[in-house]
Amino acid sequence: DIVMTQSPDSLAVSLGERATINCKSSQSVLYSSRNKNYLAWYKQKPGQPPELLIYWASARESGVPDRFSGSGSGTDFTLTISSLQAEDVAVYYCQQYYNTPWTFGQGTKVEIK
Amino acid sequence: EVQLVQSGGGLVQPGGSLRLSCAASGFTFSDDYMDWVRQAPGKGLEWVGRIRNKANSYTTEYAASVKGRFSISRDESKNTLYLQMTSLKTEDTAVYYCAKEYQTDWFDYWGQGTLVTVSS
Repeated sequence: DIVMTQSPDSLAVSLGERATINCKSSQSVLYSSRNKNYLAWYKQKPGQPPELLIYWASARESGVPDRFSGSGSGTDFTLTISSLQAEDVAVYYCQQYYNTPWTFGQGTKVEIK
Repeated sequence: EVQLVQSGGGLVQPGGSLRLSCAASGFTFSDDYMDWVRQAPGKGLEWVGRIRNKANSYTTEYAASVKGRFSISRDESKNTLYLQMTSLKTEDTAVYYCAKEYQTDWFDYWGQGTLVTVSS
């Protein structure tokens, strides 16, 4: 199984400041022949299902604000919120869809400082 | 508008059984792979299993933690996905989500979730 490890487990950021979440996979999720990283990011607010933010490691889902961006390749990935807003308080998860079993990172809780 | 509306869930004793349902609308249900993902109280997300579409013979895959105890099925006439859970354990206590795969890749839509509590 591919193990996904996020860091940090939690972070507190001031409104308007940048938040950065890292995700590392235990093996590469880059499908070389397609040159695509099989990595997605989700946001989950308390009591709600997750919602898709990013797929192919860096493609933003329709309707997601452009302050959210994804980067990285192979085994190391980053989700960046360029200017934190109050509505961004949530837990964020990375997920690999390279191989089943699909696996998620443990989550990173983002709060307001 | 894509909607996944879940039902079922509740309190069940260890060793018992329960069936969850997920009614789909707003997309061509028969075309898509569907999954179940669970979240234990205060914990992260854990994939439970998936069922492929008709073109891929409705084959299934399961997480090791539930293989042999859980079964995923779908009824195309009702546009409904099911999760049959048997031999339930206390560690199966979680909110269960159904989710739609986008072209066998990421999850683009999720159900609202339903709580399953396994306790005596």
